[in-house]
Amino acid sequence: GAVVSQHPSRVICKSGTSVKIECRSLDFQATTMFWYRQFPKQSLMLMATSNEGSKATYEQGVEKDKFLINHASLTLSTLTVTSAHPEDSSFYICSARQGLSNSPLHFGNGTRLTVT
Amino acid sequence: QQQVKQSPQSLIVQKGGIPIINCAYENTAFDYFPWYQQFPGKGPALLIAIRPDVSEKKEGRFTISFNKSAKQFSLHIMDSQPGDSATYFCAAGSGSARQLTFGSGTQLTVLP
Repeated sequence: GAVVSQHPSRVICKSGTSVKIECRSLDFQATTMFWYRQFPKQSLMLMATSNEGSKATYEQGVEKDKFLINHASLTLSTLTVTSAHPEDSSFYICSARQGLSNSPLHFGNGTRLTVT
Repeated sequence: QQQVKQSPQSLIVQKGGIPIINCAYENTAFDYFPWYQQFPGKGPALLIAIRPDVSEKKEGRFTISFNKSAKQFSLHIMDSQPGDSATYFCAAGSGSARQLTFGSGTQLTVLP
């Protein structure tokens, strides 16, 4: 089955620093990947759609300069949280689709970010 | 138009019980309805999915019932086990939409 690998699973950083999260599709190519943020006991909030070879599409209210997305290849998208603050602490999850929009979406295992 | 409403928010059943989680949608363009299971600290995992050309789909102990006219679909878990305790999300998508629309989630607890 399709596997999406996300790294790291946990990261702790100090305020003001930047953190990079990687999302890889291990056994398929993904022209589109999605980044979500999830608060405790809540649903997934779509942050942005990552497009291979072009700019990401951000959802309303998501700061593109704070959450930098790069989709340099068909199997890798990265999310960089720049100048992190404690309020950025959250669970970040990526996903990728193998095929058309009405086909299964596979998720990574998430990254727990804690900003101190 | 894009919302998917999920209920209940939480559910507690005894082992062997049949929890039922319901979802309703408004956008008639949706043609793909997956359910995801999420354990704490993990990403959601695809459990089962249905398309509107069938009214029911069964995979192991998990069954999706789909009512196209009512724009509702539900997940049934037969012979539930404590290991099924997790958060369940329904979602809906379409060929024209690039991403899925998720329900708000249901936290299921199966008591031993």
